[in-house]
Amino acid sequence: GAVVSQHPSRVICKSGTSVKIECRSLDFQATTMFWYRQFPKQSLMLMATSNEGSKATYEQGVEKDKFLINHASLTLSTLTVTSAHPEDSSFYICSASSGRLYNEQFFGPGTRLTVL
Amino acid sequence: DAKTTQPNSMESNEEEPVHLPCNHSTISGTDYIHWYRQLPSQGPEYVIHGLTSNVNNRMASLAIAEDRKSSTLILHRATLRDAAVYYCILTGGTSYGKLTFGQGTILTVHP
Repeated sequence: GAVVSQHPSRVICKSGTSVKIECRSLDFQATTMFWYRQFPKQSLMLMATSNEGSKATYEQGVEKDKFLINHASLTLSTLTVTSAHPEDSSFYICSASSGRLYNEQFFGPGTRLTVL
Repeated sequence: DAKTTQPNSMESNEEEPVHLPCNHSTISGTDYIHWYRQLPSQGPEYVIHGLTSNVNNRMASLAIAEDRKSSTLILHRATLRDAAVYYCILTGGTSYGKLTFGQGTILTVHP
């Protein structure tokens, strides 16, 4: 089956620093990648959708200048949390789709971000 | 976008069948019904999807009502590894390609 990896799996940083999270599709080309955020005991919330070579489309309420998304190739997307604050502490999950009509999304294992 | 309604939680015993219901009374003709599950501290995992006909795969079966206003995910023999949050999601129309996760159903499997 299709595999999506995320790196790092856990990160702890100080308030005010930036953190980059990588999402890779290991055995297929992902024309579209999605970034989600999940707070404890809550469901996943879609943050943005990115297509290879295009600017990401952000969901309402998500600050695009704070959550920088780059989808430079068909196998790699990155999410950079700039000037992180404690309220940004969350579980960040990416998913990838090959773009076939109604194809399922393949999710990464998630990245636990803790901002001190 | 059409929404889904699921019970907050369900319980099952190991090796027994589990029927997880989902109501989607405002589903449109082009909406697909997807099921994903999320094990603790992991990313979601695709389970199954369908449009009109019942579907079977190695993980589960999906039974879709004739009027498509409800569906049921069937795990034929629950195992402890099936304990997860199960999400029923509609895709299509203006939300094409996007998954909107609701609260899902927390499935507890007892040994």
